[in-house]
Amino acid sequence: EAGVAQSPRYKIIEKRQSVAFWCNPISGHATLYWYQQILGQGPKLLIQFQNNGVVDDSQLPKDRFSAERLKGVDSTLKIQPAKLEDSAVYLCASSLMGAGDAYEQFFGPGTRLTVL
Amino acid sequence: SQKIEQNSEALNIQEGKTATLTCNYTNYSPAYLQWYRQDPGRGPVFLLLIRENEKEKRKERLKVTFDTTLKQSLFHITASQPADSATYLCALYTNAGKSTFGDGTTLTVKP
Repeated sequence: EAGVAQSPRYKIIEKRQSVAFWCNPISGHATLYWYQQILGQGPKLLIQFQNNGVVDDSQLPKDRFSAERLKGVDSTLKIQPAKLEDSAVYLCASSLMGAGDAYEQFFGPGTRLTVL
Repeated sequence: SQKIEQNSEALNIQEGKTATLTCNYTNYSPAYLQWYRQDPGRGPVFLLLIRENEKEKRKERLKVTFDTTLKQSLFHITASQPADSATYLCALYTNAGKSTFGDGTTLTVKP
């Protein structure tokens, strides 16, 4: 079974530039998550999709971050414009879970973003 | 506000000993809790899940307990090995499936 795919693996940009990350979840997984993980901290949920609908985006900085999951499969996360404090690893995860169910999350390898 | 605290210091133990990692939470009523392992440069990998009505779960050398009165989960690795060295994350979930991760505890098992 193929795992969660993410690209690119690394990205270096200057502040105020734009960047986009892509995620392809495990086939059949209805729920998709984007997390931000700053060095030394745990993953912080940015947005959670169930199929192509948003379940939770309460911690997404909507003035600069956007995400979409067209057709309920793969997803893109965009930052525009980037700030220095956006330097982090962006993790995508997927699961079979629906609301009220308990399933493990499968994580991708992450995209390491450096903002200069 | 909701808060999750894991062992504030890194944990160093000798091979063969039992490692015990702590996850405490406040202002939270989780429906279930998961433990993940994360190696440098990789995404977290699921280890165990325990629900609010369960006291203990085991899987091979791993054991997790969940005390909703103390608002604490303990994660044990028995007969630890150098290959168990990693960062271990606890994650709490609401009934709606919203997750909150702790900052993790880094475990080093010395041969």
